[in-house]
Amino acid sequence: EIVLTQSPGTLSLSPGERATLSCRASQSINSNYLAWYQQKPGQAPRLLIFGASSRATGIPDRFSGSGSGTDFSLTIRRLEPEDFAVYYCQQCGSSPLYTFGQGTKLEIK
Amino acid sequence: EVQLVESGGGLVNPGGSLRLSCEASGFIFNNAWMTWVRQAPGKGLEWVGRIKSKADGGTTDYAAPVKGRFTISRDDSTNTVYLQMNSLKTEDTAVYYCSKLAFYHLERWGQGTLVTVSS
Repeated sequence: EIVLTQSPGTLSLSPGERATLSCRASQSINSNYLAWYQQKPGQAPRLLIFGASSRATGIPDRFSGSGSGTDFSLTIRRLEPEDFAVYYCQQCGSSPLYTFGQGTKLEIK
Repeated sequence: EVQLVESGGGLVNPGGSLRLSCEASGFIFNNAWMTWVRQAPGKGLEWVGRIKSKADGGTTDYAAPVKGRFTISRDDSTNTVYLQMNSLKTEDTAVYYCSKLAFYHLERWGQGTLVTVSS
């Protein structure tokens, strides 16, 4: 089973700053299989990035994804107030089919 | 617009059963692979199971914690996917989301339905 470890657990930043969130896999994964989601309190997750670096429909270009092998990252170029949320990475594997990281909480400093 | 609306959640005793429904609209449902994901209170996301389209065999796969207890099915005539949950345990308490799969990621999510397993 591939384990995804996200860091940091909590990231405290101010609006306008740049955020970099990390997702490390316990073994190398195909970049096509890596996605990122945003979840705000009381809401369902929303797809942000798929295939490690492709933005989903309607996602602002301040969100970008990168990485390969075991190390992936999500960057938010200039934080807007609505970006403060919990972010999850996810990979598609064999067993279990889909696994998620434990999440990074992005909070206002 | 893609919409997924879950229903059927509620309070159930340990050992009991519950069936969740997810009604889909805004896309060609019978071509879609669908999945269920749950989130325990204050915790992260956990994949529950998946059902392929009938054209791709209609087969199902489950996470180890629910295998043998949960069953996913679909009714393409009503654009609905179901999650039948039997032998429920307290650790099954969670918000259950249905989601439309696109290749290797979860493209759209419903708003979720809360299942509470408690005596």
